[in-house]
Amino acid sequence: AQKITQTQPGMFVQEKEAVTLDCTYDTSDPSYGLFWYKQPSSGEMIFLIYQGSYDQQNATEGRYSLNFQKARKSANLVISASQLGDSAMYFCAMREAPNTNAGKSTFGDGTTLTVKP
Amino acid sequence: DTEVTQTPKHLVMGMTNKKSLKCEQHMGHRAMYWYKQKAKKPPELMFVYSYEKLSINESVPSRFSPECPNSSLLNLHLHALQPEDSALYLCASSQDQAGVGYEQYFGPGTRLTVT
Repeated sequence: AQKITQTQPGMFVQEKEAVTLDCTYDTSDPSYGLFWYKQPSSGEMIFLIYQGSYDQQNATEGRYSLNFQKARKSANLVISASQLGDSAMYFCAMREAPNTNAGKSTFGDGTTLTVKP
Repeated sequence: DTEVTQTPKHLVMGMTNKKSLKCEQHMGHRAMYWYKQKAKKPPELMFVYSYEKLSINESVPSRFSPECPNSSLLNLHLHALQPEDSALYLCASSQDQAGVGYEQYFGPGTRLTVT
C-alpha cells in the first residue's frame, strides 16, 4: 500500500480563489511529520508547510494552511487567494520515526496545479 | 541563509565520460541527500549522509559514487552512465536525519543528459 496518496494528478483554479490539494497517508507510528513542497517548472523543491502528528492545531504559513484530520489520516493543503506564481507541482511527504523508515521521506506522486488568470 | 547550491545547472555527458555534481549548504545541517527525479515523478532517494558518513544507499548502481568531503559539501561522481540515467538530480539538506520534524531544503538541481 502506498504510504502517501495524492489522488489529484492535475488541478485548475481561478486566480484569487482558494484551492485544496488532497493528501492521505498511512502509518502505524504515533510520531511522524507531514510536509508539503512546491516544485515550479524550474525544478527546485520549495518547503511550504509542516504538521507534526502531535500538533493540536492546524499549521498555517501565510497563504498556506494544512487541514490535518488525524483520524482520517489526511493532510490537505489549502492555498488561499491563488496567484499565477502558484502554478507548480505540489508534493506531500511524510517522515516517520527512524526505526520505521530510517529517517527517509516518503513522497506522494504529486499534484500539478494550474492557476488561470 | 537557507540556500542549498548545486553546480552545474545543466550537464550533458557521454556514456564514457567522468563528471561530478557538487552541492553546498551553510546552514549547519548534519544530513545531506541525493535524489534522482524523472519528469512529472516524485524524487527518488539515492543516498543519505549523516554527520559526514554514508547512512543510506538505496541500492544505487556503482556508476554513481557519492562523497562528503566535509559537513557543508556533497559530491556525486558519475562514470559510465546510461541514457536512462538522464534526469534531474536534486541535493537536499536537513538539520538531522533522525527527526520527524525536520524539513528538507533542496537545491535547484542539475539537469543531466546522457548521450
